[in-house]
Order: sequence, then C-alpha cells, then structure tokens
Amino acid sequence: GNSVTQMEGPVTLSEEAFLTINCTYTATGYPSLFWYVQYPGEGLQLLLKATKADDKGSNKGFEATYRKETTSFHLEKGSVQVSDSAVYFCALSSGSARQLTFGSGTQLTVLP
Amino acid sequence: GAVVSQHPSRVICKSGTSVKIECRSLDFQATTMFWYRQFPKQSLMLMATSNEGSKATYEQGVEKDKFLINHASLTLSTLTVTSAHPEDSSFYICSARYTGVFYNEQFFGPGTRLTVL
Repeated sequence: GNSVTQMEGPVTLSEEAFLTINCTYTATGYPSLFWYVQYPGEGLQLLLKATKADDKGSNKGFEATYRKETTSFHLEKGSVQVSDSAVYFCALSSGSARQLTFGSGTQLTVLP
Repeated sequence: GAVVSQHPSRVICKSGTSVKIECRSLDFQATTMFWYRQFPKQSLMLMATSNEGSKATYEQGVEKDKFLINHASLTLSTLTVTSAHPEDSSFYICSARYTGVFYNEQFFGPGTRLTVL
C-alpha cells in the first residue's frame, strides 16, 4: 500500500535560517506529491505540489522536487520567518480515487 | 480560493450520546468529500469517502454503523458519531474535492474537536 514517511519534529529554527523537512514515500503507480501546512487552529492548506518526476513545486519561498529515483519530496526554504511556524504534512495521492495518504506531520517553530 | 467550513468547531458530550458534525463547501460544489481523524501529534487518517447521493465508502477498520455519513447535497456532508465513547475523542477534519481545473485538489475544513466525557 501507499505510505509517507517524514522527518519527525519538532523543528526549531531561528529566523532567516535554512529549512529542510525530509519526506520519502512508497506508492504503486505514479503518485502526485503534496506539501500541506496547518497553522494553529486552522485547517490544512495546500502549500505546493508536483505531479510527475523531476517536477518542482514552489510557493511562498518553499520548494520541493519530485525525485522518483530516491522516492523523495523534501521541503526546503532558504530563509524562514516567524510566520512560517506551523505543522507541515507531506502527502501523496494515487489511483483512481485520488485519496490522500499523509505523513505524520512536522511541527516547525521559528524564533525571532 | 475554495472554502470549506465545519460546525461545530468544538463539542463536548457525555458518553452514550450522538454527535453530528457538518462539513460545508461554501463556494463550490463537491461531489466527493472526505472525513479524517487526527490524534494528537499524529497524522490524518482517512475514515471514509463521502459521495453525493450514494453510500459512503469506509476505510478498513472504521465502523460504518458508528460513524454515519450522509452527503445529501453537493455542498454538505455530515458525520454522526453514534453512542460516543471516550475513545472517540479526537480531532475530526473534513475535506471537499474541487473538480475543476485542479481535479485532484482537496480543500480542508478547520476541524472539529470532539471530547467525550
């Protein structure tokens, strides 16, 4: 079956530091890959996505590249801000139903 | 962007009672909605897929008689937790699939915190 493994948190960084959150996956077929963000007290929001190998998703300074050879979709940002503090979920969807399978989530705290 | 609401945001009930949670897509029609359960510091677990006008599809291990799902319109799905027990306490999140340009994009509600005493 499908599964997503992501870096355990919590992660605490200083403002302007470089961020990497690792994500690897196991899936049948050709999944689409996603990063979602959950701010305190809110629902999940799509941060970025990639639908095929070597695609790079980007949004709000965050980037992730779909690496089929390593089955990875690591999230990166060059300079984090306090407002980036949230929980980040890696996810994939595949199959005709396009259901999402989520990783365990990584809590990010950015200190001023 | 597409907005999904949930009501109530928090509910506390006594053991043995039933609780209904509503999920609404506010500015788009959703033939498919999903219900997830999230335990503290854990990931979202898909409980069931709700299809407008037909029966919901439940994931393995989810009791369909305990978690009743109704998707009576293109903008509303409800999850009823019947005869709730303390182990049902959790954060329940719904999502609605927008079948437009972004066919496989799901929009999530803010979640409902259920506490069963």
